[in-house]
Amino acid sequence: EVQLVESGGGLVKPGSSLKLSCVASGFTFSSYGMHWIRQAPKKGLEWIALIYYDSSNKYYADSVKGRFTISRDNSKNTLYLEMNSLRSEDTAMYYCAKHPRDWGQGVMVTVSS
Amino acid sequence: DTVLTQSPALAVSLGQRVTISCRASKSVSTYMHWYQQKSGQQPKLLIYSASNLESGVPSRFSGSGSGTDFTLTIDPVEADDIANYYCQQSNELPFTFGSGTKLEIK
Repeated sequence: EVQLVESGGGLVKPGSSLKLSCVASGFTFSSYGMHWIRQAPKKGLEWIALIYYDSSNKYYADSVKGRFTISRDNSKNTLYLEMNSLRSEDTAMYYCAKHPRDWGQGVMVTVSS
Repeated sequence: DTVLTQSPALAVSLGQRVTISCRASKSVSTYMHWYQQKSGQQPKLLIYSASNLESGVPSRFSGSGSGTDFTLTIDPVEADDIANYYCQQSNELPFTFGSGTKLEIK
């Protein structure tokens, strides 16, 4: 059974940084591209980043490009999202996903002064 | 970017058939997926690649379409189907989602 467990969320002030983690199990993590998707409160879903299985390619939504960095450690079966220069509009539930089927339960990030 | 357009909400009677539509601003071939999201939960895959029923999903759910026009059909609707439904395209980056359709019971 595929499991994706996110962690690292919390309440932070505008302009600060945060790093999310997603630990994967139940599949060969090193063989799959992985995604981060977010959902602002009471809003729809927004894809924000993709990393290839071997980290050779990374793609970002325009809304986070230059501020967020996706990375992975295949030896630890872990996906990361480093978020810098956080804004109030980054407040959301952040999901890691093995597209299209498997999603984590999400981790909440709140950016507020 | 490929914009996906969904109706905001639909009201349906239990036991009836409902069709949720998703229109893409450009062709996505059959790289369209449908998700169900209940309050407080992560999205759940229902249909992948336009018409393939995900394992474990009731056969009341079906998907169709290609190119720019897609539909998710629930027949018959049950009380447990009350949720938000999202389409998503994976034909090109950035992957995009529709704004969601809220299914309500009459």
